[in-house]
Amino acid sequence: QSVLTQPPSASGTPGQRVTISCSGSRSNIGSNAGNWYQQLPGTGPKLLIYSNNQRPSGVPDRFSGSKSGTSASLAISGLQSEDEADYYCAAWDDSLNGWVFGGGTKLTVL
Amino acid sequence: QLQLQESGPGLVKPSETLSLTCTVSGGSVSSSSYYWGWIRQPPGEGLEWIGSIYYTGNTFYNPSLKSRITISVDTSKNQFSLRLSSVTAADTAVYYCAREVSSEGGMDVWGQGTTVIVSS
Repeated sequence: QSVLTQPPSASGTPGQRVTISCSGSRSNIGSNAGNWYQQLPGTGPKLLIYSNNQRPSGVPDRFSGSKSGTSASLAISGLQSEDEADYYCAAWDDSLNGWVFGGGTKLTVL
Repeated sequence: QLQLQESGPGLVKPSETLSLTCTVSGGSVSSSSYYWGWIRQPPGEGLEWIGSIYYTGNTFYNPSLKSRITISVDTSKNQFSLRLSSVTAADTAVYYCAREVSSEGGMDVWGQGTTVIVSS
């Protein structure tokens, strides 16, 4: 069981906007930034969002992140077929003194 | 451009010790700005943080694995390493190394991953 809770799946049609939630607690998302990773099929994870809402260079602005209290969210607007991937949230946990991940959300583009 | 490359045996016998090395190129493991971490992903499952190390040797370990883990750094070779003892089939996974910017910045550069199978 993962420390951060994500829905196991999400879906949308091309052009739609989808959001993926990530629920944590006071010791992780409540105290530290939420980060998001994208894992395309057969590849390693890639940093998608850091510091709650910042995009690394090269990440399209269709991807956005937010945080409220002990939860974080990832939004993808203008959904494209190449966005089909697994998405993981993560945060530093002050109680565990380590990184915690969500269980991952498999995004399907219908 | 910073690159990380994992290396080590792809097959380890149960009860033995898994040893992996991450070689850093295009940057320095001795940078004061980063920690360096290990993360694994069992087949069909999610990501699990194993542990992290600073160039000074300061470490953070996943409490669930702490009794079996040793992470070390070799600044002369620009490498850091993972040793996981007493492995079982549950340790079968793809193992990734990554650069950690900070708790805010996350893990911004990842290796391609290496598959380790625990089997006799």
